[in-house]
Amino acid sequence: KQEVTQIPAALSVPEGENLVLNCSFTDSAIYNLQWFRQDPGKGLTSLLLIQSSQREQTSGRLNASLDKSSGRSTLYIAASQPGDSATYLCAVRGGSARQLTFGSGTQLTVLP
Amino acid sequence: DVKVTQSSRYLVKRTGEKVFLECVQDMDHENMFWYRQDPGLGLRLIYFSYDVKMKEKGDIPEGYSVSREKKERFSLILESASTNQTSMYLCASSLTTVQPQHFGDGTRLSIL
Repeated sequence: KQEVTQIPAALSVPEGENLVLNCSFTDSAIYNLQWFRQDPGKGLTSLLLIQSSQREQTSGRLNASLDKSSGRSTLYIAASQPGDSATYLCAVRGGSARQLTFGSGTQLTVLP
Repeated sequence: DVKVTQSSRYLVKRTGEKVFLECVQDMDHENMFWYRQDPGLGLRLIYFSYDVKMKEKGDIPEGYSVSREKKERFSLILESASTNQTSMYLCASSLTTVQPQHFGDGTRLSIL
């Protein structure tokens, strides 16, 4: 059964820093991987989707990479801002599955 | 933009009641999902549907049922609510299996 791990569980950085969030998964036979953002008490907002054939995806200050063979993905946030404070979740879709398996998230705080 | 609307943000019910949670999407998506989110346990899939009147069990279907009579609407039903079903419930949809999932704002359900 697929397991998704995100370390650290919480991260606090000063404004302006570049940072990396990590996601690892146990079964490398994935179809795609999706990164989400969740603000307190709200639903999830999709940030980036990487297909298994891709190495990375970029959107603005965000860059997500995927190394399927090692079972890892990273979300790079450039020039962090207080508005980036949120919980970031990664989720993988297995090769034959319709549903996502989620990590437990990294709670990011960007200090002004 | 994709809009996934959940009928209630907050809901309080009593044990033994039959509870309906409604979700509507406006983008003609094939797939719809119901998750619950609990501290320390992350997001867990309850049920999903890949077509009208079609449904599949997720990881934790016990105590729940679903209904999808129209493509845009997916309902989650708690047949006889219990206190351990107090949780945040999140609905999501995706155009196809390989497309990103889009989430609603969630329903925080309390069972007293």
